[in-house]
This record gives sequence, structure tokens and C-alpha cells, in this order.
Amino acid sequence: QKEVEQNSGPLSVPEGAIASLNCTYSDRGSQSFFWYRQYSGKSPELIMFIYSNGDKEDGRFTAQLNKASQYVSLLIRDSQPSDSATYLCAPTTGDTGRRALTFGSGTRLQVQP
Amino acid sequence: GAGVSQSPSNKVTEKGKDVELRCDPISGHTALYWYRQSLGQGLEFLIYFQGNSAPDKSGLPSDRFSAERTGGSVSTLTIQRTQQEDSAVYLCASSLVTSAYNEQFFGPGTRLTVL
Repeated sequence: QKEVEQNSGPLSVPEGAIASLNCTYSDRGSQSFFWYRQYSGKSPELIMFIYSNGDKEDGRFTAQLNKASQYVSLLIRDSQPSDSATYLCAPTTGDTGRRALTFGSGTRLQVQP
Repeated sequence: GAGVSQSPSNKVTEKGKDVELRCDPISGHTALYWYRQSLGQGLEFLIYFQGNSAPDKSGLPSDRFSAERTGGSVSTLTIQRTQQEDSAVYLCASSLVTSAYNEQFFGPGTRLTVL
């Protein structure tokens, strides 16, 4: 079992719809969870992080975390063509001795105009 | 100031040659990471530096890979006797260890092609 599982997609949604991106992880010690967005040919950029169970909203983005189910998701409301990218999930234990992130392989999102 | 910078942006080399990739982290960031991303794949951790501590080399795929960080700032990733499977984008990231969470800022990457 991979440490971080994401559906590779592509996930295709029409413009204006809600895109739902899911991620499961195996390390129960994971404390913080990051969502990075990566446009084709570009480097990843952080868009959301969450460390408490429940929802965290930032503009059109909502991260949802359920540590008991080892599940974290990212919702993008009113999807725009500019949201078309690969979204990478990265949990971390926060262990200062091992602070590198373990990334999922990412979900490719396509927003159709 | 500026973000994480990496050089060169592209490197084409012949199998068996050595290459050096450079990373200049954000000023003041004490933690530095190297990752590798093969085409269509996620990011693979290679090595992590934090201050004067011994680096975490647990992600290096073979002894052909090594990295150093001079003066707690610039880092160089060296790949000796390159193989075709080394072709990938090599990404460097830096972070503030004192941050409550470990937000890592990525450089633009170096695309390595081994012929």
C-alpha cells in the first residue's frame, strides 16, 4: 500500500462546478496536511494546509480532514479553467527530524470552459 | 526577497557523465530539500538539510547521488556516472524550521535529460 493515495484522474468538471479531490494516507502519525497545485511544467505551489479535523475554507478552496478515516480532501467551488492543474496531497508528521513531505502522485484536474 | 532559485534550468548530458545541480534557497530558510519528479509521477524525496545537523539522506536512490550544503545556504546535488533512469526534474525546496507548520517553497526545478 502506498503511503499516500490519490486518483490520478484526469478529473474533468465543467466551469462553475465543484471539483472534489480526494487523498488517503497510511501514516496515523500524520499531523498536518498540505495541498499543492502544480501547473504543467511548473513547480508545486502551496494552496492549502489543514491540521484539525473538519473543514478549513480559503476563498473558493475548502480542505476537509478526517483523521479517524485517514482521509483528506480538497473542494474547489466555482471551478475555473485556470484551476486546471495537478493537485498533490502531502501529509506530514511534523517530526523535526524528518520534515520532508511524502507526496501523493497527484490528481490531474481539467476544468472545461 | 527572491524565491528559491535553481540552475541550470535544463541540463542535457550523456550517459556516464557527472552533473551538478545548484539550489539557492530563500534567504533565512534553514531547511533545504531535494526532490525528484519523473514524468507524470509525484515527487520523490531525496535529501534534507537542516542547519548544522547531519543531513537526512534516506531518499538518495544510490551512492551515485550526493549533495552538500555550504555555509548553510547554497546546495549542490551531484549525480555521478549518470544513467538514463536519472532523467527527471530535480526540485529544490526550502522552509523555515521555526514555522508552526512546514510550508515548503519550491524552486523552478532543473530538467535533467540523460541521453
